[in-house]
Amino acid sequence: LAKTTQPISMDSYEGQEVNITCSHNNIATNDYITWYQQFPSQGPRFIIQGYKTKVTNEVASLFIPADRKSSTLSLPRVSLSDTAVYYCLVGPDNYGQNFVFGPGTRLSVLP
Amino acid sequence: KAGVTQTPRYLIKTRGQQVTLSCSPISGHRSVSWYQQTPGQGLQFLFEYFSETQRNKGNFPGRFSGRQFSNSRSEMNVSTLELGDSALYLCASSPPEHPNEQFFGPGTRLTVL
Repeated sequence: LAKTTQPISMDSYEGQEVNITCSHNNIATNDYITWYQQFPSQGPRFIIQGYKTKVTNEVASLFIPADRKSSTLSLPRVSLSDTAVYYCLVGPDNYGQNFVFGPGTRLSVLP
Repeated sequence: KAGVTQTPRYLIKTRGQQVTLSCSPISGHRSVSWYQQTPGQGLQFLFEYFSETQRNKGNFPGRFSGRQFSNSRSEMNVSTLELGDSALYLCASSPPEHPNEQFFGPGTRLTVL
């Protein structure tokens, strides 16, 4: 399984764009990059998944360079309610895998 | 569609007892995964079931076991409880077309005294 590295914590202010980068140097050819968000005392929530280039949905964008050794989750115009832990996972998009959640990035959005 | 449900939401047990937690996945989801979350160890994968078969298992002792029924509902059991088993136990299900898109339940908060 590819190991991922993310910043432990980040601070931002309301209305700013936040970019969280995840390094995954040993990503395999059939691995996808998946991001989850978790609020205290709740289960994680799927945000976005991508394989290469750029993926965008109503919540976030995911930028993946050509070498796929890193990825950046972009949250546009964050609000206080975006304060949470964000996890980057790397693995094939099939059943039977061991989902490894690292420590994640604790994002604090300040007023 | 209804989300993933877990019962009970809170549980208090004493050391040495055993506990069974239940998870009902989203309708149509055949994969169910279980996780343990503690402040010290974070979110750790326990095991995954698909069509009543355990497909993968994390690094937990044999006291932790699970099963899945034909309707995809799943249970996990922890025997001979230890204080360190106090945690939030999360269940997640995922659709066949996107296995990585896991939908998590609210969790069961287990306290072992």
